[in-house]
Amino acid sequence: TQLLEQSPQFLSIQEGENLTVYCNSSSVFSSLQWYRQEPGEGPVLLVTVVTGGEVKKLKRLTFQFGDARKDSSLHITAAQPGDTGLYLCAGDSAGNQFYFGTGTSLTVIP
Amino acid sequence: DAGVIQSPRHEVTEMGQEVTLRCKPISGHNSLFWYRQTMMRGLELLIYFNNNVPIDDSGMPEDRFSAKMPNASFSTLKIQPSEPRDSAVYFCASSTDMLYGYTFGSGTRLTVV
Repeated sequence: TQLLEQSPQFLSIQEGENLTVYCNSSSVFSSLQWYRQEPGEGPVLLVTVVTGGEVKKLKRLTFQFGDARKDSSLHITAAQPGDTGLYLCAGDSAGNQFYFGTGTSLTVIP
Repeated sequence: DAGVIQSPRHEVTEMGQEVTLRCKPISGHNSLFWYRQTMMRGLELLIYFNNNVPIDDSGMPEDRFSAKMPNASFSTLKIQPSEPRDSAVYFCASSTDMLYGYTFGSGTRLTVV
């Protein structure tokens, strides 16, 4: 099992604020994915990053893969209540399965 | 496409009883994964299949757990006998290509009393 640690574990912010969550590991990953999970549902894929240093933007969400492909960050600009959920990173090193991180639970207060 | 379909959505059973969870993956997806999610341990991979063949079952907690995939459109996860510590949300996910990610079902919330 390859440990992916996410921080912070919990985050509660006001609508309109910016935030960044982190995903760190000592392992090198071929690719890394971010998922969002809403209560009572399964995780939903947001993005896949594959190249060290890669930055991808999805509307107000910006994802970055570390140069060494061991870490990643997710930045949300002007958070909205609809962004509330559990954010999970998942890394693939052997090409056959993804290992999920510990998760960041985000609450955006209207 | 109806997505990954899991049943039942909720299951409450008494300790010692057999529990069977069901999953129908997305048509055309050749990989299927069973995960368990708890507050304490997060999302844990139990077992995954590729082309209906079990590839890695190292995450299965113990012999009380078993999984089958008799064909490309159906899989089961069985717990016999069930114990209170098995209480969790169990997810099934399917995939056609790693880079496209996993499509998860809505999960089965299992409570063993």
